Amino acid sequence: AQKITQTQPGMFVQEKEAVTLDCTYDTSDPSYGLFWYKQPSSGEMIFLIYQGSYDQQNATEGRYSLNFQKARKSANLVISASQLGDSAMYFCAMRNRDDKIIFGKGTRLHILP
Amino acid sequence: DAMVIQNPRYQVTQFGKPVTLSCSQTLNHNVMYWYQQKSSQAPKLLFHYYDKDFNNEADTPDNFQSRRPNTSFCFLDIRSPGLGDAAMYLCATSREMGAADTQYFGPGTRLTVL
Repeated sequence: AQKITQTQPGMFVQEKEAVTLDCTYDTSDPSYGLFWYKQPSSGEMIFLIYQGSYDQQNATEGRYSLNFQKARKSANLVISASQLGDSAMYFCAMRNRDDKIIFGKGTRLHILP
Repeated sequence: DAMVIQNPRYQVTQFGKPVTLSCSQTLNHNVMYWYQQKSSQAPKLLFHYYDKDFNNEADTPDNFQSRRPNTSFCFLDIRSPGLGDAAMYLCATSREMGAADTQYFGPGTRLTVL
């Protein structure tokens, strides 16, 4: 069965520091996609970054990078040089072929000034 | 800009009074989804349309219905809202349902039931 686990319910990080949000997954399908979304207090789910199961390189998008460790089934999100505007809920998600996306329970990130 | 639009952003209804939430997209995506999200929880998929094919999740209550009259629009109908239906309702789209197909979300409609 597919499963996404985010073990950090909440995190507090000082502004300008890097932060790593943990995500582990489980699937028996060799073809899958991993996604991270940001949800600020306004409620909108904002797509941040995607990693495919066959991608050799870690995905990067600006200050966001995905630390993909396939053997460990982990897909941690790294935010470099955190900003106050990064305070939000972050969801890790996974999708198999021809299937719906599944979400982890989320990590609430607080950036401290 | 291509996007997913939801109206209204905030909706207040009375217990038992039917309500309809609206979603439109300019992405020309084949798949449209409706999610329910309660406070501090992950979004919960209610149903999705692949083109005109409707797919209901097994645990979606009968109180929730959906219509997709064309590619661009999708509606969520709540026939008799209960207090437990107060939540954020998120619409999303994806081009296809492959592993690499990103879901793009609208801003959500926050439903209050009095």
